[in-house]
Amino acid sequence: RKEVEQDPGPFNVPEGATVAFNCTYSNSASQSFFWYRQDCRKEPKLLMSVYSSGNEDGRFTAQLNRASQYISLLIRDSKLSDSATYLCAVNAYSGAGSYQLTFGKGTKLSVIP
Amino acid sequence: DGGITQSPKYLFRKEGQNVTLSCEQNLNHDAMYWYRQDPGQGLRLIYYSQIVNDFQKGDIAEGYSVSREKKESFPLTVTSAQKNPTAFYLCASSKQRNEKLFFGSGTQLSVL
Repeated sequence: RKEVEQDPGPFNVPEGATVAFNCTYSNSASQSFFWYRQDCRKEPKLLMSVYSSGNEDGRFTAQLNRASQYISLLIRDSKLSDSATYLCAVNAYSGAGSYQLTFGKGTKLSVIP
Repeated sequence: DGGITQSPKYLFRKEGQNVTLSCEQNLNHDAMYWYRQDPGQGLRLIYYSQIVNDFQKGDIAEGYSVSREKKESFPLTVTSAQKNPTAFYLCASSKQRNEKLFFGSGTQLSVL
């Protein structure tokens, strides 16, 4: 099983739709979780951290399910500008005082007029 | 404005040539990282540094070298030993090793 896994998509959704992505992780010792947004040929930008109790930022909601080892990102009322690739990142202690942040390969979202 | 600056934006390498990618940050972050991204692929860690004068190999360090002589700077050299260097290279930093990363705008390296 890959360490961090995402459905590559693409997810093609109409404007105004609600869309959700999942990201599964294999390391049960994972401690922190993030969603990044990456536009084509650009750097990833932090969208939001994911907290145990779930958190919301405007139209975006992130949730963590430790029992099933996945995080999710929900986008409500999709805008054309939401079209991008969404990367999840999972941070786990890897021993000797070191942490390893592992990225998924990303899920591509296209919002269609 | 605080941030991470990578240069150049585009770089071309000839066979057998070493090239160096620059990464500078003024965020006062302790940790810095280099990632490689191939088309349709995730980010793979090349090297990281948690503190000045110390760095560790990531998952794909072969054919690359780094230095961390100053807190602000973490240059990456792609050596001639890296046989498939064409990729998008991303530098990142974080306040501490286990915190969220902030990325530079990337360098696209191509082989002539």
